[in-house]
Amino acid sequence: QKEVEQNSGPLSVPEGAIASLNCTYSDRGSQSFFWYRQYSGKSPELIMFIYSNGDKEDGRFTAQLNKASQYVSLLIRDSQPSDSATYLCAVNKINTNAGKSTFGDGTTLTVKP
Amino acid sequence: GAVVSQHPSWVICKSGTSVKIECRSLDFQATTMFWYRQFPKQSLMLMATSNEGSKATYEQGVEKDKFLINHASLTLSTLTVTSAHPEDSSFYICSARKITGLPGSGANVLTFGAGSRLTVL
Repeated sequence: QKEVEQNSGPLSVPEGAIASLNCTYSDRGSQSFFWYRQYSGKSPELIMFIYSNGDKEDGRFTAQLNKASQYVSLLIRDSQPSDSATYLCAVNKINTNAGKSTFGDGTTLTVKP
Repeated sequence: GAVVSQHPSWVICKSGTSVKIECRSLDFQATTMFWYRQFPKQSLMLMATSNEGSKATYEQGVEKDKFLINHASLTLSTLTVTSAHPEDSSFYICSARKITGLPGSGANVLTFGAGSRLTVL
């Protein structure tokens, strides 16, 4: 079992719809969770991070964390073609500056005009 | 903001030569930087953790004598691929983490360099 698992996709949604990206992790000691977006041929860029159970909203993006279920998700509202990318879920086991992130394999999202 | 510069962005070299890639944090100090490799359509694979002033920590299966990492200052880490071979052709990406910050402040966020695409002929 991988430490961080994501559906590889591809996930395809029409423009304007809500895209839902899911991620599960195996280590209950994980404390911080990150979503990165990676366009083809480019390096990842941070979208959001979340530490506490519940929802965290930032513009069109909402991260949801459920530590009991070891589950973190990213919702993208009003999806745009420019959101088409691979989304990487990352998990830190310790909530310090020395902790390294474990990445999932990513979910490829395509938003169709 | 936090900016990480990575150079070169792409490099082509002959088999058997060595290639050095630089990763610089431009507006913050980073005691820890990370080096990744990414093959086409695959996820990031952490190669090593670069620690300022000490030896790098390599992930299992990564040859430390082949991938030399030096973190001589708080703003610069270098990765040298020694005696490169065609199978080393990949996208190499570095990331840096800010030094201080309270948990929850976002200080654990990674800032990535733009990546270096290596092609070994």
